Amino acid sequence: DAGVIQSPRHEVTEMGQEVTLRCKPISGHNSLFWYRQTMMRGLELLIYFNNNVPIDDSGMPEDRFSAKMPNASFSTLKIQPSEPRDSAVYFCASSQRGTEQETQYFGPGTRLLVL
Amino acid sequence: GQQVMQIPQYQHVQEGEDFTTYCNSSTTLSNIQWYKQRPGGHPVFLIQLVKSGEVKKQKRLTFQFGEAKKNSSLHITATQTTDVGTYFCAVPNTGNQFYFGTGTSLTVIP
Repeated sequence: DAGVIQSPRHEVTEMGQEVTLRCKPISGHNSLFWYRQTMMRGLELLIYFNNNVPIDDSGMPEDRFSAKMPNASFSTLKIQPSEPRDSAVYFCASSQRGTEQETQYFGPGTRLLVL
Repeated sequence: GQQVMQIPQYQHVQEGEDFTTYCNSSTTLSNIQWYKQRPGGHPVFLIQLVKSGEVKKQKRLTFQFGEAKKNSSLHITATQTTDVGTYFCAVPNTGNQFYFGTGTSLTVIP
């Protein structure tokens, strides 16, 4: 298995631009998580989906952030408009809910820099 | 929501020395997971502990779950440069999400 796939791996954009991050979870996994990691705040859960349905988006910073999961093999995290404080590493992770050990498998991350 | 404290935040050790990181919760945990993130990399699952007082070993790594299931530790014997990275504990939160601790960043000096 290729593992969790994220694109792009790096993104540099200017303040005010729209940014779309993409994630392909491991085939067969039914839970998907979006995290943001910064030095100041550590690893924060933004939103997670079970069976393509958003369950908890309380970690989403504000209305500029939105996430979708149109099918079991694809999810997007969109920031519009982007701001310099959104600069961070964004990780997508997937897991198989209902198993005894719900290991989260992380993708390589997208390193976002907003100028 | 779930809160967990992880200490220390940073640790520098000479290669060959031992290292321990601790994870403490104010509430009883059903289980706890440990992850390792190499510099520039992504968190990778190491292990899950479920039973009170459980001890598991992976080569030079020893993981322990407290008797009260409120704390856990990760101990590395005779550190090597390959052990460099940040070690996170993760505890269950509402739903099937996990709350990640602040992590302990380990530097190994050759």
